[in-house]
Amino acid sequence: EAEVAQSPRYKITEKSQAVAFWCDPISGHATLYWYRQILGQGPELLVQFQDESVVDDSQLPKDRFSAERLKGVDSTLKIQPAELGDSAMYLCASSLARGGDTDTQYFGPGTRLTVL
Amino acid sequence: SQKIEQNSEALNIQEGKTATLTCNYTNYSPAYLQWYRQDPGRGPVFLLLIRENEKEKRKERLKVTFDTTLKQSLFHITASQPADSATYLCALERAGGFKTIFGAGTRLFVKA
Repeated sequence: EAEVAQSPRYKITEKSQAVAFWCDPISGHATLYWYRQILGQGPELLVQFQDESVVDDSQLPKDRFSAERLKGVDSTLKIQPAELGDSAMYLCASSLARGGDTDTQYFGPGTRLTVL
Repeated sequence: SQKIEQNSEALNIQEGKTATLTCNYTNYSPAYLQWYRQDPGRGPVFLLLIRENEKEKRKERLKVTFDTTLKQSLFHITASQPADSATYLCALERAGGFKTIFGAGTRLFVKA
């Protein structure tokens, strides 16, 4: 069964350093999501792509976070500089959804980020 | 803005009993309501989706109801098993591809 791949699974960094996370969605999935999940809370959408275009990045802290999906396939989320409050699980998800339809979101295993 | 309320306290039940989890929302009625399961340290896994014009949806031992008047969804697991122990997340989405909003989840423990 196809899965969403993420790497690394765990990342420990010091504040003010740069970190990057990678996501490879299920083949053929048009929509890709990056979520942040703080312990004890639900996932919060950071950015949503349809193919290579951003459709929602309203909750992305753009002064330090950036995301790209250049060829409409895999995606990278970057934080520079990292802050203590960025410690969380970063989840990537993908779905077939296109053009405003809803569809099942398939989540990857996540990247656990710890900022010291 | 939309808010989702799920029981923050863990639900403890005995194996074989029916577990019932609640999801309440404020503000607008969503076009779609979804339930996900999440195990510790892992990503959520989709379970069921119910649309605003549907009252009930079933899948094996799972049942979801959707009451747009009460602004509430109930998620039932019948004949619960210890393997059902996990956190269950409620998620809402408006029509037109708006972002999905997740609740904080309810932790379920099923004792053998």
